[in-house]
Amino acid sequence: AQTVTQSQPEMSVQEAETVTLSCTYDTSESDYYLFWYKQPPSRQMILVIRQEAYKQQNATENRFSVNFQKAAKSFSLKISDSQLGDAAMYFCAYNFFGNEKLTFGTGTRLTIIP
Amino acid sequence: GAGVSQSPRYKVTKRGQDVALRCDPISGHVSLYWYRQALGQGPEFLTYFNYEAQQDKSGLPNDRFSAERPEGSISTLTIQRTEQRDSAMYRCASSLRTSGRHEQFFGPGTRLTVL
Repeated sequence: AQTVTQSQPEMSVQEAETVTLSCTYDTSESDYYLFWYKQPPSRQMILVIRQEAYKQQNATENRFSVNFQKAAKSFSLKISDSQLGDAAMYFCAYNFFGNEKLTFGTGTRLTIIP
Repeated sequence: GAGVSQSPRYKVTKRGQDVALRCDPISGHVSLYWYRQALGQGPEFLTYFNYEAQQDKSGLPNDRFSAERPEGSISTLTIQRTEQRDSAMYRCASSLRTSGRHEQFFGPGTRLTVL
């Protein structure tokens, strides 16, 4: 069975600093996708960034980037120049070709310290 | 264009009652997913549709839960004889195609409370 593990229930970072959220996953699939979703206090689910497993290059979206280590099955999210609006729950998620349901981790609550 | 909408946003019901939760996906989206999220947890998959066909219902907890999408657009998740353990946020998501390459857009959710 596919599993996604987020070992950091809570993280905090000073505003304008950089923070990295960890995620590991377990799969036997070769064609899969990894995602980071943000859930702010409004409880919306917002896609932050996506990585396709066959791509070696790490995905980047503005201040958000990932460190995808396929052999280690690790997919961490780096947030640069942290802003107050980044405060949220962050969920790592996974699916694979042929089975598009998302499997989520338990989340990391990120607090931004002004 | 409008995003995914869900109704009602909040539902309080008494144990034993049936509830129907509605999801209106983004127009033209082929795939529609239902998830359930307990407080402090990540969403858990319930079921999904491509067009009107239910492709996977392996996440439905028991036979009190059912879902349909009869015309390939709006979907309804029905919970019969509700129990307190059914209390959670029920989320719907839709995507353009059935592929992990395509983003799943989530609705605001329906918060169900069973008394």
